[in-house]
Amino acid sequence: GQNIDQPTEMTATEGAIVQINCTYQTSGFNGLFWYQQHAGEAPTFLSYNVLDGLEEKGRFSSFLSRSKGYSYLLLKELQMKDSASYLCAVLDSNYQLIWGAGTKLIIKP
Amino acid sequence: DVKVTQSSRYLVKRTGEKVFLECVQDMDHENMFWYRQDPGLGLRLIYFSYDVKMKEKGDIPEGYSVSREKKERFSLILESASTNQTSMYLCASTPPTSGGPLSGELFFGEGSRLTVL
Repeated sequence: GQNIDQPTEMTATEGAIVQINCTYQTSGFNGLFWYQQHAGEAPTFLSYNVLDGLEEKGRFSSFLSRSKGYSYLLLKELQMKDSASYLCAVLDSNYQLIWGAGTKLIIKP
Repeated sequence: DVKVTQSSRYLVKRTGEKVFLECVQDMDHENMFWYRQDPGLGLRLIYFSYDVKMKEKGDIPEGYSVSREKKERFSLILESASTNQTSMYLCASTPPTSGGPLSGELFFGEGSRLTVL
């Protein structure tokens, strides 16, 4: 079967760095997405990786290793507003989107 | 600013009632989707539509139907609500992409939280 694994919950301190991991086993691969979802709000797009390597976008970076079936989202200089759930999703060989259950990130002052 | 609007943020219905969830997007997107979001599970696709009057079943279509009479509006219908349909329902849309309807960024509405008693 197809599977996306992410930690359920993580806690980090304001101003610090946190890495949220996502491992996947899917039927083929056509890209990996990260979305942010604040409580009670719509998920919003953060990043899309289809090639190996690190893509940086301000305080947020996303890394992909296709050979290892692994991605991470790196958040630097954490702010209280970064408290949210982070959703990992993989586009499989049939262009179907497989979603992880999400990682709830709690930022403490 | 792009916008996907879901008509009801919170609904409480009784078992057996018919439920309509409405979604409108103002981005002229061809593709529209209905997902449900439950704790501990990834988003699950119920139905999607790639054009007016066109619909395709997703992973969990049982107990649901959809309607797309106009490009901007995609409705999810629960013909006879059951308690196991208590959930958060998310509508989303995407413009056409070369890799299929889900290859691009999804634009989500804020969700409709349905409780069936």
